Amino acid sequence: QKEVEQNSGPLSVPEGAIASLNCTYSDRGSQSFFWYRQYSGKSPELIMFIYSNGDKEDGRFTAQLNKASQYVSLLIRDSQPSDSATYLCAHGGGSQGNLIFGKGTKLSVKP
Amino acid sequence: EAGVTQSPTHLIKTRGQQATLRCSPISGHTSVYWYQQALGLGLQFLLWYDEGEERNRGNFPPRFSGRQFPNYSSELNVNALELEDSALYLCASSLDSGFTYGYTFGSGTRLTVV
Repeated sequence: QKEVEQNSGPLSVPEGAIASLNCTYSDRGSQSFFWYRQYSGKSPELIMFIYSNGDKEDGRFTAQLNKASQYVSLLIRDSQPSDSATYLCAHGGGSQGNLIFGKGTKLSVKP
Repeated sequence: EAGVTQSPTHLIKTRGQQATLRCSPISGHTSVYWYQQALGLGLQFLLWYDEGEERNRGNFPPRFSGRQFPNYSSELNVNALELEDSALYLCASSLDSGFTYGYTFGSGTRLTVV
């Protein structure tokens, strides 16, 4: 099975800082990329998707995609304690058929 | 618009019993996916149904099975329950296999096997 690798963390950043979450994937056929946020005990919630190389911004969130390097990242500007959650990276459009999820990176934003 | 609904919210079963979990997708979504998330672990892909057919299956034993009904709702059956089956079971639905807009997840069923 094609893999998605994420640093499990925890990643700890102070309130107001930029949090940088990274993800690498092995399926070169992947066409779409997603970031989900999962609070403890809750279900994952889609926060960003990106299809093309480059940056995509939505409020405090920026997704970055580099298909040549098989790398996708999520930047969270002005991090807030409410951003503390596990962030899951996923990709689709590859050989697997369904989306492939990483194991997630746990982010902790300290007041 | 109603989201993905799952029932029951919590389920407690004894080892060796069978569990049935249910999922209703968002209206218009034809694909349903099932995931297992054990405490503190990542999402483990179980099953994908689309238009009533099983499209893909994760690395789980045959005692995990399911089906999709003509109205696109789905159920997951787990036979001969084992203690390690205790987990949050998440259902998700999507358009176009999720490639364009990803999946929308339900709130999950917390299965506890005692």
